[in-house]
Amino acid sequence: DAKTTQPPSMDCAEGRAANLPCNHSTISGNEYVYWYRQIHSQGPQYIIHGLKNNETNEMASLIITEDRKSSTLILPHATLRDTAVYYCIVTRTGANSKLTFGKGITLSVRP
Amino acid sequence: ETGVTQSPTHLIKTRGQQVTLRCSSQSGHNTVSWYQQALGQGPQFIFQYYREEENGRGNFPPRFSGLQFPNYSSELNVNALELDDSALYLCASSDTGTSAGELFFGEGSRLTVL
Repeated sequence: DAKTTQPPSMDCAEGRAANLPCNHSTISGNEYVYWYRQIHSQGPQYIIHGLKNNETNEMASLIITEDRKSSTLILPHATLRDTAVYYCIVTRTGANSKLTFGKGITLSVRP
Repeated sequence: ETGVTQSPTHLIKTRGQQVTLRCSSQSGHNTVSWYQQALGQGPQFIFQYYREEENGRGNFPPRFSGLQFPNYSSELNVNALELDDSALYLCASSDTGTSAGELFFGEGSRLTVL
């Protein structure tokens, strides 16, 4: 699986959009970009994934650049409950896929 | 609430002992994966089970072993515990009929080895 690079931390004000960047310059054509988050003392939670098109669900939007070498997770209206570690993961889908987590980016939402 | 439950939530063992951690997968999920998360690190893949067979293993020694039962519940066994085994152990389930990268994690079992 391709490696990902994320800044270690960022913060944003409550109610504003949080834009979390991720670089994955060695991504292969059959690899997807997944985002998970982990709130303190809980297990990771799936957020969203995509291949090459932008994706949106009730939690977030995922913007993938045309060359697929980077992506941005957007939380449109961050709340204090969104304070967590966010992991960007690149992986193939398949029955034996395993997730390779890095250290993620710690998002702190301030009041 | 993912429907994945793990037990025990916390436990303390001493070096050299053996431990068994348990996981009940989300209903309808036939694949279970186990991860180890040391303090301040991201989760690390231990192994995955599909239809009661090991189906992929990370860089962990043989003293880490597992089982998956016909009802898709699972166990993680660790023998000859070492201090570095202290970590949060996470179980994740998925359905191979859907995108396999979408895992549903439990809350974890926190193991402390003294």
